[in-house]
Amino acid sequence: SQTIHQWPATLVQPVGSPLSLECTVEGTSNPNLYWYRQAAGRGLQLLFYSIGIDQISSEVPQNLSASRPQDRQFILSSKKLLLSDSGFYLCAWSVGLAESDTQYFGPGTRLTVL
Amino acid sequence: AQSVTQLDSQVPVFEEAPVELRCNYSSSVSVYLFWYVQYPNQGLQLLLKYLSGSTLVKGINGFEAEFNKSQTSFHLRKPSVHISDTAEYFCAVSQRGTGNQFYFGTGTSLTVIP
Repeated sequence: SQTIHQWPATLVQPVGSPLSLECTVEGTSNPNLYWYRQAAGRGLQLLFYSIGIDQISSEVPQNLSASRPQDRQFILSSKKLLLSDSGFYLCAWSVGLAESDTQYFGPGTRLTVL
Repeated sequence: AQSVTQLDSQVPVFEEAPVELRCNYSSSVSVYLFWYVQYPNQGLQLLLKYLSGSTLVKGINGFEAEFNKSQTSFHLRKPSVHISDTAEYFCAVSQRGTGNQFYFGTGTSLTVIP
């Protein structure tokens, strides 16, 4: 069966520091991968999605970036964190890009920027 | 673009009482509908989905939802809730022709009172 991992589970970082969050998927090949952010009291905002290695689409312009160096690895990065980057970051995967394809979510990373 | 409205941000309900969590979407174009549940500090877990066919969809943990095209709604129901149902519930919509882009509501926090 497929599983999705995210780490770290929690992170506290000072403003201006770099960020690297990692997501890996097991049990499937060539998944579509997604990064979402969930701010306190708000819904999920799609940040990036990827249909393959080094193929990244950005949905929201910001100081975050994403990379996919391997088929089942998706990384979210920032060179300098802002206070507004605090939130719960969720990685998700799907088999295909059809509208009917379910997205499956990882356990998330709680990021607090101080 | 699609918008998803969850009309109730918080729903308190007594244990063993019925509950309905409301979800409305904006577009009348062919849609696919999903409900996810999020327990504290965890990722999202799929409860149920509507792709086609019968408008009444049954999911896990005794939940069901009904697709109403004329009212552009997909309300979630459970006839008798348990303490363990306390969680955040998200409605999501994908729209034919937009690929696997999910539009999420802002969530409904269900609190089951003993």
